[in-house]
Amino acid sequence: QKEVEQDPGPLSVPEGAIVSLNCTYSNSAFQYFMWYRQYSRKGPELLMYTYSSGNKEDGRFTAQVDKSSKYISLFIRDSQPSDSATYLCAMSGNQGAQKLVFGQGTRLTINP
Amino acid sequence: DVKVTQSSRYLVKRTGEKVFLECVQDMDHENMFWYRQDPGLGLRLIYFSYDVKMKEKGDIPEGYSVSREKKERFSLILESASTNQTSMYLCASSLGGSRGYEQYFGPGTRLTVT
Repeated sequence: QKEVEQDPGPLSVPEGAIVSLNCTYSNSAFQYFMWYRQYSRKGPELLMYTYSSGNKEDGRFTAQVDKSSKYISLFIRDSQPSDSATYLCAMSGNQGAQKLVFGQGTRLTINP
Repeated sequence: DVKVTQSSRYLVKRTGEKVFLECVQDMDHENMFWYRQDPGLGLRLIYFSYDVKMKEKGDIPEGYSVSREKKERFSLILESASTNQTSMYLCASSLGGSRGYEQYFGPGTRLTVT
């Protein structure tokens, strides 16, 4: 079993829809949870970062962590075609961790 | 802006060739990483370095080696390329310390071994 599981999709939704992307994990030591976004032919870039459980909001994006269920989510409101990308969750056990554990990535397409 | 550059976007090599992939970052980051990215498998860590001349194996180091002679440069070496090393290779760097979670990636090198 992989430490981090993420449905690779692909996921295709109409413009304006609410998108929910999810990851599950097995390592209870994880405390730092990140979402990276990767556009086609580019490297990933950090989108959001959350410590421990709870929610974090940044514009149209909300990251949610449920440590009791070992489940994290990224919600995108009012999705736009420019949100079309691969979204990767990543986790680590401490703030200064050099190594991150990535999910497989979910390929998302927003249709105009 | 942090910039991570990789020497080639596309590379085609023959089986058995020695292959060098170069990565340079311009933000004085302590940590540098090499990943490969394959469909359905996500990002897998090959090697990382937390200081000049220091390196640690990642999850899939077999068939690869690395070199970090200067802080800004991290090289990935395929000693004898094989077809199963055909992949997208991504280099990343991070400041370390309390910002270790924030990795900056290069654009990737798509390597094809024939």
